[in-house]
Amino acid sequence: GAVVSQHPSRVICKSGTSVKIECRSLDFQATTMFWYRQFPKQSLMLMATSNEGSKATYEQGVEKDKFLINHASLTLSTLTVTSAHPEDSSFYICSARDQAYTSNNEQFFGPGTRLTVL
Amino acid sequence: RKEVEQDPGPFNVPEGATVAFNCTYSNSASQSFFWYRQDCRKEPKLLMSVYSSGNEDGRFTAQLNRASQYISLLIRDSKLSDSATYLCVVNFNTNAGKSTFGDGTTLTVKP
Repeated sequence: GAVVSQHPSRVICKSGTSVKIECRSLDFQATTMFWYRQFPKQSLMLMATSNEGSKATYEQGVEKDKFLINHASLTLSTLTVTSAHPEDSSFYICSARDQAYTSNNEQFFGPGTRLTVL
Repeated sequence: RKEVEQDPGPFNVPEGATVAFNCTYSNSASQSFFWYRQDCRKEPKLLMSVYSSGNEDGRFTAQLNRASQYISLLIRDSKLSDSATYLCVVNFNTNAGKSTFGDGTTLTVKP
């Protein structure tokens, strides 16, 4: 089956620093990847849609200058949380669709990155 | 009103029980539907897609009612390992591929 990896799996940083999270599709190509955030006991909230070779599409209320997304290749998207603050502490999950199966909307999720900002 | 709403739960059932979850969606133009399972502090994993004709996978049965705009998940003969949060997922636009998640329903199966 399709595999999506994320790195790092866990990060603890000081307030004000920037954190980069990588999302890779390991055995398929993904023109589109999605970044979600999940707070404890809440559901996944879509932050942005990452498009290979173009700008990301952000959901309402998500600051594009704070959450920088780069999708430089068909297998890699990165999310950078700039000037992180404690309220950014959350579980960040990426997902990808296999472009070979455009009629199938199944998304394959990465294992998530747990960010803690002190 | 939320775009996707699920039974709030939690559901606490004994092993062997049958349990059903419902999920309603607001956009009648919704294209595709899924049930995902999420274990504590883990990523969601696809449990099953939901087709118009209804579909079954072992102990799991999913159904879609477009007229009433809801989908359901039935779990028969519950196992301890079924304990998890079940997420209803709806795609409103096939091309965009964006998915909207329900808040999830937590199931705990007890011995």
